Amino acid sequence: NAGVTQTPKFRVLKTGQSMTLLCAQDMNHEYMYWYRQDPGMGLRLIHYSVGEGTTAKGEVPDGYNVSRLKKQNFLLGLESAAPSQTSVYFCASSLTRGPTSGANVLTFGAGSRLTVL
Amino acid sequence: SQKIEQNSEALNIQEGKTATLTCNYTNYSPAYLQWYRQDPGRGPVFLLLIRENEKEKRKERLKVTFDTTLKQSLFHITASQPADSATYLCAPFIRAGNMLTFGGGTRLMVKP
Repeated sequence: NAGVTQTPKFRVLKTGQSMTLLCAQDMNHEYMYWYRQDPGMGLRLIHYSVGEGTTAKGEVPDGYNVSRLKKQNFLLGLESAAPSQTSVYFCASSLTRGPTSGANVLTFGAGSRLTVL
Repeated sequence: SQKIEQNSEALNIQEGKTATLTCNYTNYSPAYLQWYRQDPGRGPVFLLLIRENEKEKRKERLKVTFDTTLKQSLFHITASQPADSATYLCAPFIRAGNMLTFGGGTRLMVKP
């Protein structure tokens, strides 16, 4: 049982280049999330998905796009990378979501470290 | 705006002592609060969840308290071990945004 798998683990981009981060989960979780983690900033939600074919904006969505064509996959795209997008990106999934459901326990991937020069 | 405060300075303690980490929040009343552990180069791992109507939750050497009046959660590790060294993140669930919001984490260093 692999859990949440992210690829690639490391990537270096030049300003203006595009790329896609892939997240795959094998737990049949309905909900998936993309976070970025910067020193002293905590984890900030970029986009999330409440099911196949649906996506929504999180706290810091600008400069990113996402797609969830299959339940098990959640893709994060950078159309024109900027140095401000240098960060560690984490994908997570959860079986449920919300205050009265199963309490939204997140399973995280190992992270993807992106450097934009 | 919501604000979550965790001590950004590392907490250094001696093996065998109890480590206490603090999570303070403002401007909202979370339905529940989660604690995660994160090791260097790894993703966070869920540890414990405490709901708003619970005062205390335990799991082996871990204990979490939740004081909705003080707007504070405390995370305790008793009989700490060097293997407990990691960064610990608190994450209250904010009803208004229907999402977890993470604090910046506190790094714990347990010295033998």
